[in-house]
Amino acid sequence: EPEVTQTPSHQVTQMGQEVILRCVPISNHLYFYWYRQILGQKVEFLVSFYNNEISEKSEIFDDQFSVERPDGSNFTLKIRSTKLEDSAMYFCAAGQENQETQYFGPGTRLLVL
Amino acid sequence: GEDVEQSLFLSVREGDSSVINCTYTDSSSTYLYWYKQEPGAGLQLLTYIFSNMDMKQDQRLTVLLNKKDKHLSLRIADTQTGDSAIYFCAEKGGLTGGGNKLTFGTGTQLKVEL
Repeated sequence: EPEVTQTPSHQVTQMGQEVILRCVPISNHLYFYWYRQILGQKVEFLVSFYNNEISEKSEIFDDQFSVERPDGSNFTLKIRSTKLEDSAMYFCAAGQENQETQYFGPGTRLLVL
Repeated sequence: GEDVEQSLFLSVREGDSSVINCTYTDSSSTYLYWYKQEPGAGLQLLTYIFSNMDMKQDQRLTVLLNKKDKHLSLRIADTQTGDSAIYFCAEKGGLTGGGNKLTFGTGTQLKVEL
């Protein structure tokens, strides 16, 4: 299976701090996604990104969240001012042009104290 | 909005077949997926089916899709202890419906006993 990598694997932060989660998608994939999974709950869609812009976002993805692909390889999710309820596992995913499949990274476990 | 539901737990004996079921509400689903999550790990894509198909077989895995009833199942033949994991059903809506986002079920915890 093609590999998506994410860093860090774990992050602990104080409420109100900014965090940046990083993803290195598969090189020939063009569609990028962030999902999150709060402990014990469903995996939820946050945002999709194509051609250097957001193509779709959920209600969760408010103006505290942003995404970018600054150098053509890393795909980042920034949370400007973290809240306790942002504690979750954050998954990056990548998809090909045919949009049939999405391959997920191992996730970043974020804990906000 | 779209919804995907699964039963929470399934326990089988090693060597038996496992059948994990899923129902969904989005009538414009284009693809349906099964992902596997082992403890502490990410989501591994196991298999997927296009909504125009009703069956897909891939080694020990068989996916059945009943589009009329919006019911998807995953059968694992000769279940092994290494198959113990959480299995997530997910659907992708049509372009006029949900775009490319995946909507996931709650996950079914499969426990394989000796």
